Amino acid sequence: QQQVKQSPQSLIVQKGGISIINCAYENTAFDYFPWYQQFPGKGPALLIAIRPDVSEKKEGRFTISFNKSAKQFSLHIMDSQPGDSATYFCAASYTNTGNQFYFGTGTSLTVIP
Amino acid sequence: GAVVSQHPSRVICKSGTSVKIECRSLDFQATTMFWYRQFPKKSLMLMATSNEGSKATYEQGVEKDKFLINHASLTLSTLTVTSAHPEDSSFYICSARLQGPHNSPLHFGNGTRLTVT
Repeated sequence: QQQVKQSPQSLIVQKGGISIINCAYENTAFDYFPWYQQFPGKGPALLIAIRPDVSEKKEGRFTISFNKSAKQFSLHIMDSQPGDSATYFCAASYTNTGNQFYFGTGTSLTVIP
Repeated sequence: GAVVSQHPSRVICKSGTSVKIECRSLDFQATTMFWYRQFPKKSLMLMATSNEGSKATYEQGVEKDKFLINHASLTLSTLTVTSAHPEDSSFYICSARLQGPHNSPLHFGNGTRLTVT
């Protein structure tokens, strides 16, 4: 059972456009929602993360929007650049598991110059 | 920031041999480390949770005798793929989490590309 559902599977955006990736979860006990960026042949790197007591978090061109009632969160990449082309994973975890993270299936983003 | 170092980055081995992959937390202590496997264009599949000083916890379907995990210190976990076969070829990634608040991020190594010929 997929604990975190991610869409779209792939995304093509023009340079300067906005990239939006969505995730949904079922378990209301989740209390930490990070996004990871992965380039080919590399491990995932933390991009930005949010907790459910906040509806939005912004770091540079990257913004997480969090809708607790809908159990959804999304990543917005403003002014998308070719260097943003990568695979993005959303994830969720909750304190009671101690450490386990549940990952979405990933979104392959291509930013066209 | 927290750094996780994984070695080697690439390894090619012959079928039937064993391969050891090391995962080190460089600037923090990690009581728990995680081993993931990733197929091309796929998500991360948790294989096992490595606990310092105790036995690893394996996910359902992961053969513990094939994927031996040792977490001998607070900064080192190793994954040994025993009697490797071509179907074990994959991208293996370790990760660790800072001790303390549970809502802290996972930090990943750069992965190991294993090719079994």
